[in-house]
Amino acid sequence: DQQVKQNSPSLSVQEGRISILNCDYTNSMFDYFLWYKKYPAEGPTFLISISSIKDKNEDGRFTVFLNKSAKHLSLHIVPSQPGDSAVYFCAASGLYRGSTLGRLYFGRGTQLTVWP
Amino acid sequence: KAGVTQTPRYLIKTRGQQVTLSCSPISGHRSVSWYQQTPGQGLQFLFEYFSETQRNKGNFPGRFSGRQFSNSRSEMNVSTLELGDSALYLCASSLARTSGGAGYEQFFGPGTRLTVL
Repeated sequence: DQQVKQNSPSLSVQEGRISILNCDYTNSMFDYFLWYKKYPAEGPTFLISISSIKDKNEDGRFTVFLNKSAKHLSLHIVPSQPGDSAVYFCAASGLYRGSTLGRLYFGRGTQLTVWP
Repeated sequence: KAGVTQTPRYLIKTRGQQVTLSCSPISGHRSVSWYQQTPGQGLQFLFEYFSETQRNKGNFPGRFSGRQFSNSRSEMNVSTLELGDSALYLCASSLARTSGGAGYEQFFGPGTRLTVL
């Protein structure tokens, strides 16, 4: 049962333009969301997160937007750079100590390719 | 501060054998999670340990087991290996859970690439 879904397995964007990666979730108990970036032969690297009390969080070129009513979040990268080419994973968790929501649930990832 | 380390980085085994993978978390981190990554499946959660206790377990057969030691280092074991167990096994560590967002970030090691022949 995939509770976090990334429906686009790949995205191709020209350098300098905006990259928008999307993520949907089904469990309304999730209240913390994260994005990870993964290069081949390396482990995922934490990129940015957002709590459900916010609808936007920004860090440099990266902004995450959360729409709780739609159970949807997106990661915007502006401007996109060739070094951003990687697999991006969306993840979610809940705050309930001792429950299964205390773990992270990952989507299957989106391969972003930024071309010059 | 040193990152998460995993050993070995690469492993080749044959069907029916067993394997043990090791993970050393970031100093001070008490939570260790294990994931299996295969093409097209993303990161599949195996289990999570905190203070030597398994706190969560994913939908994997009993051939997959793990443990955590008092120094927070963790091992996972796969017995009776099958061809389908070939994957990248990732370990991640994080701070103790807090009531808010911070502390949920997991920091990943480079993974162990297991090939079962």
